[in-house]
Amino acid sequence: LAKTTQPISMDSYEGQEVNITCSHNNIATNDYITWYQQFPSQGPRFIIQGYKTKVTNEVASLFIPADRKSSTLSLPRVSLSDTAVYYCLVGVETDKLIFGTGTRLQVFP
Amino acid sequence: DADVTQTPRNRITKTGKRIMLECSQTKGHDRMYWYRQDPGLGLRLIYYSFDVKDINKGEISDGYSVSRQAQAKFSLSLESAIPNQTALYFCATSAGAGGEQYFGPGTRLTVT
Repeated sequence: LAKTTQPISMDSYEGQEVNITCSHNNIATNDYITWYQQFPSQGPRFIIQGYKTKVTNEVASLFIPADRKSSTLSLPRVSLSDTAVYYCLVGVETDKLIFGTGTRLQVFP
Repeated sequence: DADVTQTPRNRITKTGKRIMLECSQTKGHDRMYWYRQDPGLGLRLIYYSFDVKDINKGEISDGYSVSRQAQAKFSLSLESAIPNQTALYFCATSAGAGGEQYFGPGTRLTVT
């Protein structure tokens, strides 16, 4: 199982870009990288998924270097509503995915 | 209407009681999951099912059992609840391997 390491917490201000980096040194060839967002007392919500290079959707961008040993979730111009816990997961089969403690992002006005 | 629903949303029960948490989905997904989350921690997988005839133990299945009554329904039971099963329980579904998981709103269970 691919273990991931993320910062425990991050602070930002409204309007700033936030980059959360996840390390996954033992990622396997077939593994995808997936990020989820969780608000207090709610279930996690899928944000973005990628395999290599860069993926962008209406919510975020995901940057994956060539060696795939890390990935960076980029949230452009955060708002107070982006305050949440962000989880980085690595794997293919859903039952093998591990939700660690995630990164707690606090956005200040 | 929500794609994944859980009942009850909150439950307080006493040690030794049997309790069932129910999950229903309208996504049409074959795969369903039960997770628990303890305060300040990530989610841990309890049981999962890839179709109606398939049930598998997850990371922390001891003390729990499940039933997949139909493609759309997946129930989690605590046969004899104990205080350390106090947690937030989430049901989720997915369409396939590596696919996005859709989570329910959660059930907050307190065992006294």
